[in-house]
Amino acid sequence: GDSVTQMEGPVTLSEEAFLTINCTYTATGYPSLFWYVQYPGEGLQLLLKATKADDKGSNKGFEATYRKETTSFHLEKGSVQVSDSAVYFCALSVGASGGSYIPTFGRGTSLIVHP
Amino acid sequence: KAGVTQTPRYLIKTRGQQVTLSCSPISGHRSVSWYQQTPGQGLQFLFEYFSETQRNKGNFPGRFSGRQFSNSRSEMNVSTLELGDSALYLCASSLEPSASGEDTQYFGPGTRLTVL
Repeated sequence: GDSVTQMEGPVTLSEEAFLTINCTYTATGYPSLFWYVQYPGEGLQLLLKATKADDKGSNKGFEATYRKETTSFHLEKGSVQVSDSAVYFCALSVGASGGSYIPTFGRGTSLIVHP
Repeated sequence: KAGVTQTPRYLIKTRGQQVTLSCSPISGHRSVSWYQQTPGQGLQFLFEYFSETQRNKGNFPGRFSGRQFSNSRSEMNVSTLELGDSALYLCASSLEPSASGEDTQYFGPGTRLTVL
């Protein structure tokens, strides 16, 4: 079945450091790919998405490029802030029967940014 | 515009009881999906409703059920609770069903269910 694998956390960085959170996937068909962020005590928020190969999603300084050849969608940010501390989820959705899409999520990667 | 609201935010039940959770989507959104989040299994899809019809269902036992009302509000019910049902239950709404993976889902803060 479809699956998403994320790097284990927590990832601990100092403010202004470069961030990479790895995400790889297996899917039948051509998935859309997503990164969500979950702040403490809150639900998930869509951070960025990409719907086809070589697309780059970006938002709030975060970027991820849909790499079909390596089945990856790594999240990057050039300079993290303390406010970026949260749990980040990589996800995919692939068409199922009836044209509906059921999302599959990774286990989440906790990011801790120190001042 | 108000976001997705879920009630109650916290709930404590005992094994064997049943529970009903409620979700009010963003105004104008017609699709509601439910997820279970646990430390062990991560985030797992439960089901999706659109126009009062269940469109998709995840791999959960029949004790988990849901419904959607004509105003798009949704409820999920878990009968005969087990300890393993302790989790954060998240609801997400979108304008349309999750076709093409294009439509953005907006998540509520979740209901934290503890089964003793």
